[in-house]
Amino acid sequence: DGGITQSPKYLFRKEGQNVTLSCEQNLNHDAMYWYRQDPGQGLRLIYYSQIVNDFQKGDIAEGYSVSREKKESFPLTVTSAQKNPTAFYLCASIPPSPNTGELFFGEGSRLTVL
Amino acid sequence: GENVEQHPSTLSVQEGDSAVIKCTYSDSASNYFPWYKQELGKRPQLIIDIRSNVGEKKDQRIAVTLNKTAKHFSLHITETQPEDSAVYFCAANPRMVTNAGKSTFGDGTTLTVKP
Repeated sequence: DGGITQSPKYLFRKEGQNVTLSCEQNLNHDAMYWYRQDPGQGLRLIYYSQIVNDFQKGDIAEGYSVSREKKESFPLTVTSAQKNPTAFYLCASIPPSPNTGELFFGEGSRLTVL
Repeated sequence: GENVEQHPSTLSVQEGDSAVIKCTYSDSASNYFPWYKQELGKRPQLIIDIRSNVGEKKDQRIAVTLNKTAKHFSLHITETQPEDSAVYFCAANPRMVTNAGKSTFGDGTTLTVKP
């Protein structure tokens, strides 16, 4: 069953701790994205990667880091430098060109800082 | 960069009525406008999209219209049903295919359909 798998679904963190959110896809998509979603706001782009071993900052990259060692995997680390990390995080991917721009999303990970 | 504004932020309708959600965008180079539906706690899913060479597109009870001159596009849902209750996001996508995934999203509209 093809798709994007995010884990964990729920995560609690103490202040000062780094946490890593997993995103795995078996769609053979090259480009992958991380978005942050806050109540009453749209999705904001954190980081994206168009190919393996390459990634670019999005609009709100401060306090986050990523890696793209494999095509299938694009983990996001929320570092202690992120001042307000409590949010819903969505991973997405997009098919190879030519594509319409439609994003395929995972189920999301909800991070709560205690 | 692109800026997308979406209105209203909340919308409540009676079952069977129509619902209209409007978005404006700022970058005239944007050429792809998707609409995503997100049910509570779930992933956003594409429900309909339109390209800038088309003025209107329909899919059963859902339609999207685009006014490229005025830089606005709208989602129309007819004969609403309780299962239409969700958050709806509009987005605008840049012309460059290398940036195809860098959609700019509106803030979302929470639609409630009352039985």
